[in-house]
Amino acid sequence: GAGVSQTPSNKVTEKGKYVELRCDPISGHTALYWYRQSLGQGPEFLIYFQGTGAADDSGLPNDRFFAVRPEGSVSTLKIQRTERGDSAVYLCASKGQGDTGELFFGEGSRLTVL
Amino acid sequence: AQSVSQHNHHVILSEAASLELGCNYSYGGTVNLFWYVQYPGQHLQLLLKYFSGDPLVKGIKGFEAEFIKSKFSFNLRKPSVQWSDTAEYFCAVNADNYGQNFVFGPGTRLSVLP
Repeated sequence: GAGVSQTPSNKVTEKGKYVELRCDPISGHTALYWYRQSLGQGPEFLIYFQGTGAADDSGLPNDRFFAVRPEGSVSTLKIQRTERGDSAVYLCASKGQGDTGELFFGEGSRLTVL
Repeated sequence: AQSVSQHNHHVILSEAASLELGCNYSYGGTVNLFWYVQYPGQHLQLLLKYFSGDPLVKGIKGFEAEFIKSKFSFNLRKPSVQWSDTAEYFCAVNADNYGQNFVFGPGTRLSVLP
């Protein structure tokens, strides 16, 4: 596609439920990042994929959070047993090879845990 | 670990005023530096970036930033702001261009009064 696509744009769930957030990066981009942005704060790094493998998952807050990218394109961020503190906008970004260094962001998925 | 600080949480200016937003980072090695902008209701997009060479870099919409290595700073400037510059501005640091973590600052909200 022309840009990074994220679905759903909004997700409201109840505490304890399981949630999946999807990211479709720019075609051909090998690097894919997940960030979390809480109100009034900057994006907080969660995980980065280079191809199919998670090159750096040091930002995942705990083992309730997991992300996959099985074919090196679309990625899914999975949150188990959601808590109210998980409420935030989850941002996905992709980056192509080469030295431009620019991250291309999607519009985000707003998660609200009641 | 890398960290990024932005001095101002919220800046309010009148149209035609000059703008300078501060950004400092903590990392002793080679860094790539970025400013991203988020207009109301839109996704994050790149404003400008510094990789090497001339420490004064120019970006879109008349913005520029100066990298001062001795001060670990990368301040954003614009000589004359417009109402359409109202947005949230984020400074970001990447210690290695080839896919490592991009660390974002907390952001500065700019409000330009017509």
